[in-house]
Amino acid sequence: GAVVSQHPSWVICKSGTSVKIECRSLDFQATTMFWYRQFPKQSLMLMATSNEGSKATYEQGVEKDKFLINHASLTLSTLTVTSAHPEDSSFYICSAGLGGETYEQYFGPGTRLTVT
Amino acid sequence: GESVGLHLPTLSVQEGDNSIINCAYSNSASDYFIWYKQESGKGPQFIIDIRSNMDKRQGQRVTVLLNKTVKHLSLQIAATQPGDSAVYFCAENANSGYALNFGKGTSLLVTP
Repeated sequence: GAVVSQHPSWVICKSGTSVKIECRSLDFQATTMFWYRQFPKQSLMLMATSNEGSKATYEQGVEKDKFLINHASLTLSTLTVTSAHPEDSSFYICSAGLGGETYEQYFGPGTRLTVT
Repeated sequence: GESVGLHLPTLSVQEGDNSIINCAYSNSASDYFIWYKQESGKGPQFIIDIRSNMDKRQGQRVTVLLNKTVKHLSLQIAATQPGDSAVYFCAENANSGYALNFGKGTSLLVTP
């Protein structure tokens, strides 16, 4: 149980284009999902907290107009990187919380974004 | 700002030995800690967690120790196996909501 998927697993796009990454909880409903980015040999950095049916909460320094997050259902959150630049190339990982009074999160396999 | 950090960036152990990975945290208000294992190109995998009202918790081949006095967390892996080779992150609950703050990570390499 508690499986989270991401799609695509990797994507290459040109500068200036937009890319959408999907995060799905496959066997449970996730009121809250989280988006992280990870540069090579570095830790995960929280970008935003996505709550179903409401606006995402972004961490300091993360541009909300550049990283659009939509959490339209209890099993799906999307991250759209708009007007991508090479410096946006990174490993993007989502996680889904089980909800209630718990910090447990289950992570997706990640999406490798390369902007050329 | 407050953060979670690790003492050792890399750790090399022989197969069959026990491994100890350490983590220091600075937020005294944190009350939940988790260890994750991340293999190359994959998402983090939950290993074990512990709440601040405990000082030790055991799982299968793993033990987490929490010392709130010195704000130190450790992960012990018994009889380390080649499949344990990965990067290990400790994480603590963030100041708000149910988000997590991750430490820098320790790369564990198990040699035969």
